[in-house]
Amino acid sequence: EAQVTQNPRYLITVTGKKLTVTCSQNMNHEYMSWYRQDPGLGLRQIYYSMNVEVTDKGDVPEGYKVSRKEKRNFPLILESPSPNQTSLYFCASSTNTVGAYGYTFGSGTRLTVV
Amino acid sequence: GEDVEQSLFLSVREGDSSVINCTYTDSSSTYLYWYKQEPGAGLQLLTYIFSNMDMKQDQRLTVLLNKKDKHLSLRIADTQTGDSAIYFCASNSGYALNFGKGTSLLVTP
Repeated sequence: EAQVTQNPRYLITVTGKKLTVTCSQNMNHEYMSWYRQDPGLGLRQIYYSMNVEVTDKGDVPEGYKVSRKEKRNFPLILESPSPNQTSLYFCASSTNTVGAYGYTFGSGTRLTVV
Repeated sequence: GEDVEQSLFLSVREGDSSVINCTYTDSSSTYLYWYKQEPGAGLQLLTYIFSNMDMKQDQRLTVLLNKKDKHLSLRIADTQTGDSAIYFCASNSGYALNFGKGTSLLVTP
């Protein structure tokens, strides 16, 4: 089944403790992206990647890092999480032309930073 | 990025039609999408319309596109309680998708 898999689904952590949220897709998509979703703010893009070793900042990149060493994986790294990073995070992938299929989204990771 | 605007809330009675409206600013968008997000789940592509089309119908869903006014609408016929969800409008800008903030649809019995 074509899908984007994120782990973990839920995570509670403490301020300052480094964490990684993994994202993997099995569709051979070139493009991958991370979003955060907050009430009243909709979806905001954190980082995106056009292909292996090619990443760029989205609208809200502060406090996050990403890497794209393999085509299928695009982990999101929070080096020193803070409470304002409490949010619902989504990974998405697509072909570079996007087209009729749009983005395929993962099921989300709900992160709480205390 | 480019703006996509949609109303935040809509409440309808079960069996009625729902109409969710959206406006976008990127005149170069070739595809426009509607995504559905159910509670606790990710976004699922509901339908899309190519920019040279005026209308697309898919079972209970009808998408209308007014490209001149950059206005998109999603009509859900015979709305059911299972249609209660957040609906996102999105337009493409090359490889990027610009999303609206989402419309929360509440269907009451």
